[in-house]
Amino acid sequence: ETGVTQSPTHLIKTRGQQVTLRCSSQSGHNTVSWYQQALGQGPQFIFQYYREEENGRGNFPPRFSGLQFPNYSSELNVNALELDDSALYLCASSLTGREGYTFGSGTRLTVV
Amino acid sequence: GIQVEQSPPDLILQEGANSTLRCNFSDSVNNLQWFHQNPWGQLINLFYIPSGTKQNGRLSATTVATERYSLLYISSSQTTDSGVYFCAVQGGSQGNLIFGKGTKLSVKP
Repeated sequence: ETGVTQSPTHLIKTRGQQVTLRCSSQSGHNTVSWYQQALGQGPQFIFQYYREEENGRGNFPPRFSGLQFPNYSSELNVNALELDDSALYLCASSLTGREGYTFGSGTRLTVV
Repeated sequence: GIQVEQSPPDLILQEGANSTLRCNFSDSVNNLQWFHQNPWGQLINLFYIPSGTKQNGRLSATTVATERYSLLYISSSQTTDSGVYFCAVQGGSQGNLIFGKGTKLSVKP
């Protein structure tokens, strides 16, 4: 059974650019959620997808958007990058969203 | 929304010592998980424990849902236990995890 995998592991982007982060959910999991973790803080919920539909969103602006594909993998897109977007981005998957979540290793994004 | 408070924020132990980490939450929850974040950033799931007591080797956890708190016990700590421990709860209609600020544990040899 494969776990949650994320790519890339590290990324450096320039302010104003756009970025796409990818996540493959654990086998059999149809719920994927994304979190942003700033240095020294706990992860903050961005949004969640269940069977290709967004079913929850945290307090993040619309320039944070996402997709979930038929195989339940997911993308997080961030437009017009700002310096404060520098963080660790974590993807998590769950069987239905009401049991335990399994996290990937994250993508560390640096915006310069 | 639900508030999650963890204590202590920092903890320094000698190898072999025992410790208790606490998580308080402000409302009823459907799910509670304890995670260990390793130095590379990955959140390792320790326990899924909305209520009751579970044990896994040197680690155990207890959640008293009616009193809105959970405890994580680490016995005979090892240097590899170092890292940040997060408590996260799930409640309300959205179902996302709400994290505390974590307890940073340092185990000295």
